[in-house]
Amino acid sequence: QVQLVESGGGLVRPGGSLRLSCAASGFTFSDYFINWIRQAPGKGLEWVSYISGSSSSTNYADSVKGRFTISRDNAKNSLYLQMNSLRAEDTAVYYCARGDSMRAAALGYWGQGTLVTVSS
Amino acid sequence: DIMMTQSPDSLAVSLGERATINCKSSQSVFYSSNNNNYLAWYQQKPGQPPKLLFYWASTRESGVPDRFRGSGSGTDFTLTISSLQAEDVAVYYCQQYYATPYTFGQGTKLEIK
Repeated sequence: QVQLVESGGGLVRPGGSLRLSCAASGFTFSDYFINWIRQAPGKGLEWVSYISGSSSSTNYADSVKGRFTISRDNAKNSLYLQMNSLRAEDTAVYYCARGDSMRAAALGYWGQGTLVTVSS
Repeated sequence: DIMMTQSPDSLAVSLGERATINCKSSQSVFYSSNNNNYLAWYQQKPGQPPKLLFYWASTRESGVPDRFRGSGSGTDFTLTISSLQAEDVAVYYCQQYYATPYTFGQGTKLEIK
């Protein structure tokens, strides 16, 4: 079955960097767009970024553009989010999530999330 | 950006009664070339990731009980639970995937009265 497992979260100081990973299994990874979605503590959901299966297309929310970079390694069935110049407002649980050809970008598969805390 | 606004922010309904959550988009999310509304509904319980309930506004995800119904078109959408069960206590979100940035409503917290 489809599994998405995030890792790499933790405590980082403002201005610091962190790299999140999402390990995928149970499907042909290279066939799918994958998204990062985040949720600040006690708040709602915010779409962060997506990447196409071939990495030819990426897109970012304005709030992270120029600071975050999404990438993937299809040979390793892994998705990444490089986060630089982190701010307190980036504190959130970060989820990787997948749609499909039937559902488009309605996200039917989610990981359990990894918590990023930006604090001094 | 397309803004998604849900109402109400919170809702308390008695067991067995109907619950209705509304979602309004700042512009139409209907794509006439394929006759689809690019609108999804999610349910999120504490400590869990969101769970997809509906896509294309009204297509029920496999395994979702038929007491849940998604409806609407264009800019106005509704999630209805016909007979509230205890396990339906959660926060519900709508999301548009018509255009990036994909945007979510602020969430509606559903509780038992």
